[in-house]
Amino acid sequence: DAGVIQSPRHEVTEMGQEVTLRCKPISGHNSLFWYRQTMMRGLELLIYFNNNVPIDDSGMPEDRFSAKMPNASFSTLKIQPSEPRDSAVYFCASSFLGSGANVLTFGAGSRLTVL
Amino acid sequence: AQSVSQHNHHVILSEAASLELGCNYSYGGTVNLFWYVQYPGQHLQLLLKYFSGDPLVKGIKGFEAEFIKSKFSFNLRKPSVQWSDTAEYFCAVISMEYGNKLVFGAGTILRVKS
Repeated sequence: DAGVIQSPRHEVTEMGQEVTLRCKPISGHNSLFWYRQTMMRGLELLIYFNNNVPIDDSGMPEDRFSAKMPNASFSTLKIQPSEPRDSAVYFCASSFLGSGANVLTFGAGSRLTVL
Repeated sequence: AQSVSQHNHHVILSEAASLELGCNYSYGGTVNLFWYVQYPGQHLQLLLKYFSGDPLVKGIKGFEAEFIKSKFSFNLRKPSVQWSDTAEYFCAVISMEYGNKLVFGAGTILRVKS
């Protein structure tokens, strides 16, 4: 299994531009998570999906952020318009939430720099 | 509010020294507990996990952690660190009362001097 795949690995953009981050979870996993990592705030959970349905988006910072999961093998996190304070590493993770315990596997991350 | 606290933000040790990183959580009820490691420039990898049973769990690379329910703690230990253990270590908790959310502590940066 290739693991959780994220793209792009690095993105540099100018303030005001739209940014789309992509994630392909591990096949067979039914939960998907988006985290943001910064020096100041550490690892923050932005949103998570279960069976493609958003369950908790309380961590999404504001309306500029949106996430979708159109099917079990793909999710996007979109920032429109982007701002310099959005600069961070964005991690996607997936897991199988079943009767047993829930272990997240993380992707390599997308490092976003907004100038 | 639910929270995960890691006591030390930076730890510097010499090779062969023993390591203990503290982690406390504020959730009640049933919890799943994790330690993840992030090597420089890399993504998060699972070190070890506790779900139930023996409160002393062993993970990869010689790490272990002990769940003490009465203290709401899940401290990470390693008897003898190596230079290659230099990384950032994150404690994380899933509380069954609060759904499927994995909440991380602030992390502890470990630097091992060779």
